[in-house]
Amino acid sequence: DQQVKQNSPSLSVQEGRISILNCDYTNSMFDYFLWYKKYPAEGPTFLISISSIKDKNEDGRFTVFLNKSAKHLSLHIVPSQPGDSAVYFCAASVGTGGFKTIFGAGTRLFVKA
Amino acid sequence: NAGVMQNPRHLVRRRGQEARLRCSPMKGHSHVYWYRQLPEEGLKFMVYLQKENIIDESGMPKERFSAEFPKEGPSILRIQQVVRGDSAAYFCASSPRDRPTGELFFGEGSRLTVL
Repeated sequence: DQQVKQNSPSLSVQEGRISILNCDYTNSMFDYFLWYKKYPAEGPTFLISISSIKDKNEDGRFTVFLNKSAKHLSLHIVPSQPGDSAVYFCAASVGTGGFKTIFGAGTRLFVKA
Repeated sequence: NAGVMQNPRHLVRRRGQEARLRCSPMKGHSHVYWYRQLPEEGLKFMVYLQKENIIDESGMPKERFSAEFPKEGPSILRIQQVVRGDSAAYFCASSPRDRPTGELFFGEGSRLTVL
């Protein structure tokens, strides 16, 4: 049962343009959502998070939008840079404390120079 | 280095052997999580531990896999009688008791190859 879904395995974007990565979830108990970035042969690194009481969180070039009614979140990267090329994982948890975090399958982003 | 330390980074085992993967959490972190990434797939939750306690092992295969996080020393993920399907990257993550941003801190992973 995939509780967190990233339906696009890959995305290709031109440098300077906007990258939009999407994520859907099914468990209405999730109330904390995160995005991680992963380079080959490295561990995932935290990028940005949002709690369910918000609908937007922004950090520099990265913005996460949450639509609770649609159980959908998205990560916007603008402007995209070649160094952003990586696999992006969407993740969700129930609260921030002692609960497991569930990850999506990931979307591989290619930013072309 | 104050990050999450995993070793070995690469491990090769023949079918039927045992694999032991170790994880030292970040200093001050008392919660450890193990995830598995099969080739071309996402991160699958395996187990969540606190010191001397298994909190959630719902992602662990029922047989051959075990995990511990003793009072002293690293967390260990143990795979007995490995099979080719166990070949994967195993990632450990840690967190403090309180996670204001929900963030997990990951190690660089241990890549297991079963011949």
